Amino acid sequence: AQKITQTQPGMFVQEKEAVTLDCTYDTSDPSYGLFWYKQPSSGEMIFLIYQGSYDQQNATEGRYSLNFQKARKSANLVISASQLGDSAMYFCAMTLRFKLIFGTGTRLQVFP
Amino acid sequence: DAEITQSPRHKITETGRQVTLACHQTWNHNNMFWYRQDLGHGLRLIHYSYGVQDTNKGEVSDGYSVSRSNTEDLPLTLESAASSQTSVYFCASSETNQETQYFGPGTRLLVL
Repeated sequence: AQKITQTQPGMFVQEKEAVTLDCTYDTSDPSYGLFWYKQPSSGEMIFLIYQGSYDQQNATEGRYSLNFQKARKSANLVISASQLGDSAMYFCAMTLRFKLIFGTGTRLQVFP
Repeated sequence: DAEITQSPRHKITETGRQVTLACHQTWNHNNMFWYRQDLGHGLRLIHYSYGVQDTNKGEVSDGYSVSRSNTEDLPLTLESAASSQTSVYFCASSETNQETQYFGPGTRLLVL
């Protein structure tokens, strides 16, 4: 069965430091996409970054990078130079035939 | 600017009543999705559509229905609302053959 696992319910990081949010996935389908979404306290779901299963290089979007290790079935999100505005829930998700399967999320708190 | 909107943003209803949540997107995306978000579960797929007249059941479709009569709209109907359907509901859309989904602002539904 397809599944996304986020084992860190909460993380703390100091402003300007880097932080890694963990995500592992399980699927037998060779074609899939991996995503990270941010949900601030206001509630909207904000797309951050995407990695295709056939992409050779790790995806990067500004301060966000996705550490894709296919053999280990992991897709960790790295946020560099954390900012106070990064405090939010972060969801890892996987697409199979265009449908999203979400993990349970990690709450990130950035402190000064 | 193209966008995806949901209405109402907040709704209180009573058990047994029929409720319809609206989702409207102006991106001309063929793919549209409905998710519900509950604590400890992340987001779970309710129904989805790959185009006009196409609808499919997701992971948690019992008690919900959708219809797709045009590209822009995918209304979600709760035929007879139950307290277990108290949740936050998100609509999302994506282009044909593209995996990245963009989310609406969400509807918070309370069933008393």
